[in-house]
Amino acid sequence: SQQGEEDPQALSIQEGENATMNCSYKTSINNLQWYRQNSGRGLVHLILIRSNEREKHSGRLRVTLDTSKKSSSLLITASRAADTASYFCATDAWEVTGGGNKLTFGTGTQLKVEL
Amino acid sequence: NAGVMQNPRHLVRRRGQEARLRCSPMKGHSHVYWYRQLPEEGLKFMVYLQKENIIDESGMPKERFSAEFPKEGPSILRIQQVVRGDSAAYFCASSPPSPYRGTGELFFGEGSRLTVL
Repeated sequence: SQQGEEDPQALSIQEGENATMNCSYKTSINNLQWYRQNSGRGLVHLILIRSNEREKHSGRLRVTLDTSKKSSSLLITASRAADTASYFCATDAWEVTGGGNKLTFGTGTQLKVEL
Repeated sequence: NAGVMQNPRHLVRRRGQEARLRCSPMKGHSHVYWYRQLPEEGLKFMVYLQKENIIDESGMPKERFSAEFPKEGPSILRIQQVVRGDSAAYFCASSPPSPYRGTGELFFGEGSRLTVL
């Protein structure tokens, strides 16, 4: 089953507006990551936030993490048409299985930024 | 620095044939992950390998699927006797050993898109 669930499933905004995507997960985590995927392409890492961090910034991206609510949000400020893509959260569960961890991805938010 | 290389990018197979997907991780990366993505869906974990070892194959179907990451050469995901339900995009990702607890950033290839006729 999916560890992460993004909300909303789809988001359409105008260029210049802010876009907020949310992610909820189920188990305790080591870290939470956000990735972007353009149509037909591989995923690209955006940002990683550790379980002991509450907020992180990278350029126009702002990520928050609330471990008590098991949720995270990704904010893209001053969006551009080039930000049109699918965005996924991925969690690294606390339990170590067989000596290594893996990332479990959510279902994604499809963001469309219109001119 | 070349990224994660996957080939073939597109593969068409008839039901019952075998599909072999290859993944060369980034230089210096010893961890390889395979994921499957169906249209309009997220990525489903399949298997996590280190050189010559399968660390976690909890996402691999019990039959027809196998993966390896030999000492020399690329990682291979092999699907025997393919069925239409195997049609999907298969993504490989690699990472270096993480100095922290947990999994660090994954670097993804562009994927191999398998179509089963």
